[in-house]
Amino acid sequence: GAVVSQHPSWVICKSGTSVKIECRSLDFQATTMFWYRQFPKQSLMLMATSNEGSKATYEQGVEKDKFLINHASLTLSTLTVTSAHPEDSSFYICSASSVGLRDTDTQYFGPGTRLTVL
Amino acid sequence: SQKIEQNSEALNIQEGKTATLTCNYTNYSPAYLQWYRQDPGRGPVFLLLIRENEKEKRKERLKVTFDTTLKQSLFHITASQPADSATYLCARMDSNYQLIWGAGTKLIIKP
Repeated sequence: GAVVSQHPSWVICKSGTSVKIECRSLDFQATTMFWYRQFPKQSLMLMATSNEGSKATYEQGVEKDKFLINHASLTLSTLTVTSAHPEDSSFYICSASSVGLRDTDTQYFGPGTRLTVL
Repeated sequence: SQKIEQNSEALNIQEGKTATLTCNYTNYSPAYLQWYRQDPGRGPVFLLLIRENEKEKRKERLKVTFDTTLKQSLFHITASQPADSATYLCARMDSNYQLIWGAGTKLIIKP
């Protein structure tokens, strides 16, 4: 149980285009979803936290107009990287938690999306 | 600041031996700690959560301890196998349900 999927698993795009990444909780309702980015050999860095139906809370230094987050339902959150540039190339990972799960304090992670901006 | 510290150097262990990874915390007392495994190019996978009132927790070949006096959690893998090779992350959750991560320790199990 508590499976989180991400789509796509990898994407290559041209500089200036926008890319949307989907995060789905497959077998539970995610009251809260988190978006992280991870550079090679570094820890995960939290970008934003979103609760279903409300605006995302962004971490300091993360541009909310560049990284648009939509948590439209209890099973789906999307991250859109707008006007992507090569420095946005990274590994983007989502996670989800739920008050309905046995361990409410645990985050379940998706497999990640590798974004490469040319 | 409230930190989670893990040994960032890789840990090399012979297959069949017990691997022990350390997570230390400073300047606060977390109600619990969590351990995750991350393989290259993949998201972290939750392994175990241990609460401050639990001294030890087990799951198959995994064992986690929590010593509030030493401000330390130890993560053990017994009868280690090459498939156990990965980076292991220690984390705590703050009051906003955000995970505060250690840097992770890369574990290499040699056949």
